[in-house]
Amino acid sequence: EAGVVQSPRYKIIEKKQPVAFWCNPISGHNTLYWYLQNLGQGPELLIRYENEEAVDDSQLPKDRFSAERLKGVDSTLKIQPAELGDSAVYLCASSLHKLADTQYFGPGTRLTVL
Amino acid sequence: DQQVKQNSPSLSVQEGRISILNCDYTNSMFDYFLWYKKYPAEGPTFLISISSIKDKNEDGRFTVFLNKSAKHLSLHIVPSQPGDSAVYFCAESGGSGGSNYKLTFGKGTLLTVNP
Repeated sequence: EAGVVQSPRYKIIEKKQPVAFWCNPISGHNTLYWYLQNLGQGPELLIRYENEEAVDDSQLPKDRFSAERLKGVDSTLKIQPAELGDSAVYLCASSLHKLADTQYFGPGTRLTVL
Repeated sequence: DQQVKQNSPSLSVQEGRISILNCDYTNSMFDYFLWYKKYPAEGPTFLISISSIKDKNEDGRFTVFLNKSAKHLSLHIVPSQPGDSAVYFCAESGGSGGSNYKLTFGKGTLLTVNP
């Protein structure tokens, strides 16, 4: 069974540029999560989707971050414009149900903003 | 204020010995705890969990202990193997029986198992 796929794996951009990350969850997983992991920290939840509906986006900085999950499968997380402090790893996870111990994480996208 | 604390950023152990990773939490309402393991350039993978109705959960070489009165949990790996070298994250999931999706992670502990 294929795991959670994320692309790109690495991205380097200059500040004020836009950037987008893509996630393909495990087939059949209705719940999708985006996490932010800063260096030396644990992952922090940004947004959770149940199918195509964002049911918790309370931690998403909505002034520059946006996300979508069209058709309830793939998801895209966008930052526009990027700032230096956005340099981090962006992790996508999916689960069959909204149970904590069934979240499967992708490898993440490491973003560097110069 | 951090709700889940892993106070040891790193731990080094000899192969074959026991590794003990510690985690403290502040919210007594937390009732479901998890450990994740993360290799470089990979996402975290679920390792083992424990509900507050238990004080111990075992899975092969991995055992998690929960001390509710001390708000403390620990992960024991016996015997430790070089392949266990990774960052270990303690996490809690608020809600009953892990039904709450929202994981709160500690900062992680880097375990190095030396051959």
